[in-house]
Amino acid sequence: IVLTQSPATLSMSPGERATLSCRASQSVSAYFAWYQQKPGQAPRLLIYNTSIRAPGTPARFSGSGSGTDFTLTISSLEPEDFAVYYCQHRTDWPPKFTFGPGTKLDIK
Amino acid sequence: QVQLVESGGGVKQPGRSLRLSCAASGFGFSDYAMHWVRQAPGKGLEWVAGVSFDGSHDYYADSVKGRFTISRDSSNNTLYLQMDSLRPDDTAVYYCARDKDAFPGDATRFDYWGRGTLATVSS
Repeated sequence: IVLTQSPATLSMSPGERATLSCRASQSVSAYFAWYQQKPGQAPRLLIYNTSIRAPGTPARFSGSGSGTDFTLTISSLEPEDFAVYYCQHRTDWPPKFTFGPGTKLDIK
Repeated sequence: QVQLVESGGGVKQPGRSLRLSCAASGFGFSDYAMHWVRQAPGKGLEWVAGVSFDGSHDYYADSVKGRFTISRDSSNNTLYLQMDSLRPDDTAVYYCARDKDAFPGDATRFDYWGRGTLATVSS
C-alpha cells in the first residue's frame, strides 16, 4: 500500500480552513492516523482511527474518510498549526507501516 | 509523564555497526509494543522496525531487514536497535515511538515519540 498526500505544499492564512488529503493505493481499514511535525521536533499524533482526536489535539482538527481517500481538516488555522502533516497506515502482513510523503502547511 | 529518550547516535563508516538505545519511563513499558522510525535529513518519515510488548515478535522494513535487529529489555525499560552493515542511506534521525497496543498490527499508531538521535554513515 502506498500513501500519496496532496497538495505537497499548502499556503494559507491564519483563520482560513485547511483541507489536507491522503490517498491509499488500495482500500484500507479505518485504522488511519495523522501526525503533525514542527521543525526540529518529533512528530506528534493528532488523529487516529480516521477521526478520533488524540489527547491534547484541539477540536479545530478533524479527520474523515474511508476506503482509499482520507482527509484532515483544520477548521480555522492558528499560527501554531503551520507545520508538516503526515498520514500513516499499516501496509502488508506481517505488519509493516507506511507514512505519506507529507503536506507542508505554510503561512501565505 | 511518558518519556522516551534515545541515545547512541554518531558517525560511522559504511559497513560498520551502531547500537541505538531508547530509555522509557512514565508508563508500563512491558505493556506496549515499541518501534523505531527514522527521518533522513530534509525527508519524510520511514518506519524501520517494531517489536511486541514481550519481545516475542519483531517486524522490519524491507530496507533494513537482515541488517537491523530490534530488541527490548524490560528489566531496565530500554528499547534497542542494533544496526549492522551500515550504508550511507541509513543516515537519519532515529526516533523511538510507543505503539498504542501490545502487538504491532492493524490498529498501530505511534502515540508517544522521543526527540530522536542522529546516525550518520559516511566515509
